[in-house]
Amino acid sequence: DTGVSQNPRHKITKRGQNVTFRCDPISEHNRLYWYRQTLGQGPEFLTYFQNEAQLEKSRLLSDRFSAERPKGSFSTLEIQRTEQGDSAMYLCASSLVGEVTEAFFGQGTRLTVV
Amino acid sequence: TQLLEQSPQFLSIQEGENLTVYCNSSSVFSSLQWYRQEPGEGPVLLVTVVTGGEVKKLKRLTFQFGDARKDSSLHITAAQPGDTGLYLCAGARTGNQFYFGTGTSLTVIP
Repeated sequence: DTGVSQNPRHKITKRGQNVTFRCDPISEHNRLYWYRQTLGQGPEFLTYFQNEAQLEKSRLLSDRFSAERPKGSFSTLEIQRTEQGDSAMYLCASSLVGEVTEAFFGQGTRLTVV
Repeated sequence: TQLLEQSPQFLSIQEGENLTVYCNSSSVFSSLQWYRQEPGEGPVLLVTVVTGGEVKKLKRLTFQFGDARKDSSLHITAAQPGDTGLYLCAGARTGNQFYFGTGTSLTVIP
């Protein structure tokens, strides 16, 4: 399977704990995106990378959130000191930059903070 | 502020009916994508439209990109229960991220 892969699929954590999610993009894709989605809403942009460079980060993203893509392949999203408001689906997508850019999504990681 | 507004937000129809979902913006996009998402899963890409005025058909689904590349519509003919899901439009601007619409939740009742 050469699609976007996210792990874990589900994560339950206690408030105040740190969590880390992983995303493996489609292998030849040079751009990788992170989005957050709450029930019934459209995905909300968090950040994106082109190769290993983080090109844009949402102003809504608190400093408890950090993302890395150290070798321009897989990426991790870490949330420190989780809060109940962080409960959401975290989606990763990848694309190949070109004349027409299309993003392909993983199945997401569902985070529940209790 | 949402860059792309979708309407309606919720739609519940009987099997066999037709429907149209709208995606509107005041911004110009280089391309626009439509996705369908089922509960607990990631969005699945349905189509990409690039040229102003472009019309694409995918079986019973017809997608149109506005002449000015600011808006789009999705028309479903003879809806089936399998069409149930959250429909999302997303606009791409050159060199930037994808901007998602507010979503349209469709339920097709058998």
